[in-house]
Parts: sequence; C-alpha cells; structure tokens
Amino acid sequence: ILNVEQSPQSLHVQEGDSTNFTCSFPSSNFYALHWYRWETAKSPEALFVMTLNGDEKKKGRISATLNTKEGYSYLYIKGSQPEDSATYLCARTAPRSQGNLIFGKGTKLSVKP
Amino acid sequence: DVKVTQSSRYLVKRTGEKVFLECVQDMDHENMFWYRQDPGLGLRLIYFSYDVKMKEKGDIPEGYSVSREKKERFSLILESASTNQTSMYLCASSGSGGYTFGSGTRLTVV
Repeated sequence: ILNVEQSPQSLHVQEGDSTNFTCSFPSSNFYALHWYRWETAKSPEALFVMTLNGDEKKKGRISATLNTKEGYSYLYIKGSQPEDSATYLCARTAPRSQGNLIFGKGTKLSVKP
Repeated sequence: DVKVTQSSRYLVKRTGEKVFLECVQDMDHENMFWYRQDPGLGLRLIYFSYDVKMKEKGDIPEGYSVSREKKERFSLILESASTNQTSMYLCASSGSGGYTFGSGTRLTVV
C-alpha cells in the first residue's frame, strides 16, 4: 500500500446500529495516524491522533484502534445517531516531512433516524 | 477559540479570471496548507508553506500559485481560472496540536 486507503467509501446505517470502518496505510516509516470527522458545511474536526502500535483511543461513542505493524486502523461508532452523519477522514503523517498529512478518500456515513 | 478563516464560503468566477482565495490563522502556526476536495478523490494537497515567503508544491500544483507574505496569511491564486478548477478548497494550518482547518471555499468556475 503506497497511500492511505479507506473502506467502505460510503455507509448507510439505522439509528442505534454500531458500525466500523477501516483505514489502511504503509506500515513502513510510520509516524502518526489521524482521524477527522467532516460534517457538511463545517470544518474537518480532529478526532484522534495515534502514534503507538496497539493504541486505542475513545471519545464518547467513537473509538479507534491502531496496528502499525500491519498498517491499519479501525474507527468504531457505538449506537450511531443521526448527528454522527459525516465523512470520516483518515490521514498519515508523510515521512520526511514537517507534519504534512496524506489523506484517504474518506468514508461517508449516513445515519437514518 | 483558535481559528482558520477563509474569506469566502462560496465563489463563482468566469473562465480566465484571476482568482484569489485567502486564508488567515490566529494560532501563530508556521505551517499552512491548501487542499482541494473532489468527489471520489479525497483531499489533495496543492501547495504548502513552512514559513513566511516559503512555499512548496504539493501533489497537484499545476494552475495554482501561492503567496505567504505574513505568517498568518496564506493565499491561493488561480492565475487563469478554468472549469476543472471547480472544487471545494480547504485551508489548514498546523502546530503541535495537529491540523486546524478552515470551513472551506466552494469555487465554481463557469
């Protein structure tokens, strides 16, 4: 994997469902993995920055895990709500950069009431 | 509350016009970035700057230039706008706390 890949591209779930999506990235030259949430008409909002293999972070009903050896991160949303509807972006810090981020194409989540 | 402010939310310009997109941050960040976001392509880096008067090409610099005369301001310039530059443009700045994004400028070139 040369770049950041996210799957699925889009997801439709019912309110109350739990869901998860995947971010894959090159396992070599890893520095940090970032998750952002981007609601329509708003700025992307930082959710997590993860640096250590095995790291798990949680923010309310949203959590993320990181496996740097195999090059993937999962984002979980427990009990999805309509306000969780957004595009979730994953990015890795580019190697040999001053913090430049390389973004995936995002997963667009729609939660139906 | 820290902020990255983009001067326009929506912009409509004609083909061939010179277009300026302005971005201002109040966090004293050294690094600033311009991205465009298109359906199915994600965020793509156009240009970035590590310091005043410094600029570096990103992944898709063709058709664009930038200006960083002051630390807080990073301008994206479309020298001669074309219809394939219709897109959502996002500015960001970064410091020790990560990236902060502006709310975007949706540019339509007709």
